[in-house]
Amino acid sequence: QKEVEQDPGPLSVPEGAIVSLNCTYSNSAFQYFMWYRQYSRKGPELLMYTYSSGNKEDGRFTAQVDKSSKYISLFIRDSQPSDSATYLCAMSATSTGGFKTIFGAGTRLFVKA
Amino acid sequence: IAGITQAPTSQILAAGRRMTLRCTQDMRHNAMYWYRQDLGLGLRLIHYSNTAGTTGKGEVPDGYSVSRANTDDFPLTLASAVPSQTSVYFCASSGESNQPQHFGDGTRLSIL
Repeated sequence: QKEVEQDPGPLSVPEGAIVSLNCTYSNSAFQYFMWYRQYSRKGPELLMYTYSSGNKEDGRFTAQVDKSSKYISLFIRDSQPSDSATYLCAMSATSTGGFKTIFGAGTRLFVKA
Repeated sequence: IAGITQAPTSQILAAGRRMTLRCTQDMRHNAMYWYRQDLGLGLRLIHYSNTAGTTGKGEVPDGYSVSRANTDDFPLTLASAVPSQTSVYFCASSGESNQPQHFGDGTRLSIL
């Protein structure tokens, strides 16, 4: 079983829709939970991160962490064509030699105008 | 503009050749990382450095080496390139190893 599972999509939605992106994980030691956005031929860009559990909101984006279910989500409200990208979840925990960060494989999102 | 600079942006290389991918950051971050990104496999850690003067092996280190002589630079070397090393390579950094990472825009490398 992979430590982090993420549906690769693609996910196609109309402009203005609410988008829900999700990841599940197996390692209960994960402490930091992150979401990255990656446009084609660009590097991943950090969108949001949370420590431990709970919600965090930034504009149209909301990140949720449910440690009891080992499940994290990213919600995008009023989605725009410019939100079309690949979204990567990532999680980190202490490990021998420092911290270990594991990335999901990414979900491709298309927002149609 | 503060961030991570990677060079070259793309390269085609003959198998057996030696290649160094360059990475420079100006954020004074202690930790730096090299990943490769392949379709269906996501980001895989090659090597990392928690602070200048130290390095460690990641998930897929074979065939690659790194050095960290100072805070800003973290070059990745392929001693003798093989076709399976064809990939997009990303350099990243974070203030400390437990903090979220920031990425460069990558080097697209093709080994023929």
